[in-house]
Amino acid sequence: EDQVTQSPEALRLQEGESSSLNCSYTVSGLRGLFWYRQDPGKGPEFLFTLYSAGEEKEKERLKATLTKKESFLHITAPKPEDSATYLCAVRHSNTGNQFYFGTGTSLTVIP
Amino acid sequence: GAVVSQHPSWVICKSGTSVKIECRSLDFQATTMFWYRQFPKQSLMLMATSNEGSKATYEQGVEKDKFLINHASLTLSTLTVTSAHPEDSSFYICSAEKQGAKGNQPQHFGDGTRLSIL
Repeated sequence: EDQVTQSPEALRLQEGESSSLNCSYTVSGLRGLFWYRQDPGKGPEFLFTLYSAGEEKEKERLKATLTKKESFLHITAPKPEDSATYLCAVRHSNTGNQFYFGTGTSLTVIP
Repeated sequence: GAVVSQHPSWVICKSGTSVKIECRSLDFQATTMFWYRQFPKQSLMLMATSNEGSKATYEQGVEKDKFLINHASLTLSTLTVTSAHPEDSSFYICSAEKQGAKGNQPQHFGDGTRLSIL
């Protein structure tokens, strides 16, 4: 059973066109939900950690929110340099140190 | 910061060769390091969890004798792919967790190693 599901699989936006990426999770005892950005041929770059429902984190054009069932990564007025794959991962009380990753959303921002 | 360095970034070798990949935490000590494998356009697949001073914990389906992991210090873990074959070609990524992390801290990733076996 998938524990982390990301949608959409791929997203193409015009520069300046705001949108949101979704990460749904089915685990209980959430210890943290993590957002990463991955560029082609590189390792994931840490963006945010969210711990409890209602929490929000912001960084430049990105804003991450968390509910009891899902997290959204909102991208406001994206630029071409925001193009990347965005991964979310969860850690819960039954997994110890292990992260469960979603399959990611590939974002392309067109100039 | 939390910088993880992985070396080499790219390696091409003949079938039957053993390849060692290093993962170093540069500005922090890491009690636990993780090794992942990533196939094209897919997410990260955890291979093993490496704990300093003890044996690694391998995920189901990962051959321990094929993928040797050593975590001899708080800043270095190595993955050795023994007698590599073309099917071992992949992108291998390591991550590290800061010492003392309470289990709800992020993992910090290296930039990966592209392994191509001819």
